[in-house]
Amino acid sequence: GAVVSQHPSRVICKSGTSVKIECRSLDFQATTMFWYRQFPKQSLMLMATSNEGSKATYEQGVEKDKFLINHASLTLSTLTVTSAHPEDSSFYICSAERGVQETQYFGPGTRLLVL
Amino acid sequence: DAKTTQPTSMDCAEGRAANLPCNHSTISGNEYVYWYRQIHSQGPQYIIHGLKNNETNEMASLIITEDRKSSTLILPHATLRDTAVYYCIVRVGGGTTGANSKLTFGKGITLSVRP
Repeated sequence: GAVVSQHPSRVICKSGTSVKIECRSLDFQATTMFWYRQFPKQSLMLMATSNEGSKATYEQGVEKDKFLINHASLTLSTLTVTSAHPEDSSFYICSAERGVQETQYFGPGTRLLVL
Repeated sequence: DAKTTQPTSMDCAEGRAANLPCNHSTISGNEYVYWYRQIHSQGPQYIIHGLKNNETNEMASLIITEDRKSSTLILPHATLRDTAVYYCIVRVGGGTTGANSKLTFGKGITLSVRP
């Protein structure tokens, strides 16, 4: 149990376009989902926390108008990188937890390359 | 959340036990110790967590000292597939009122399992 999927697994896009990444909890309902970003040879950095039906909470330094998060249901959260630039190229990873402060389970990640 | 310190790297021989240490001297009474690992280019994988008692599951054992200021993750029979970065994270749990669910990733310890 506790499987989280992400789609797509990798995406290449042109600078200035928008990219949407989906995160799904496959076998449980997730009260909270999290989005992380990881640059090469660095650790995961939390970008935002989202609860179903409410606005996401963004970490300091993360632009909420650039990284749009929608958490429309208890099993789906989406991250849209708007007007992507080469510096947005990174590994984006989501996680989900069943209940508040319960174990977080991570998706396999999405590798974004912006040309 | 309390901070953790881990060695940068270690290695062990395939088939032997791998003992990964973690210091968390400022841990609070309501904070759990979580272990995740990240194999190259994948999302983190949950391994185990505990509060004060030792824990064991199909993947590993977690030994927490009586004063809770340090812990050791034990992989009883390491295989080449256990080569990964292992993260020790402390985090509130159990429905602590007012606390958030964030996981703060440090640099982790790189475990290399040699044939």
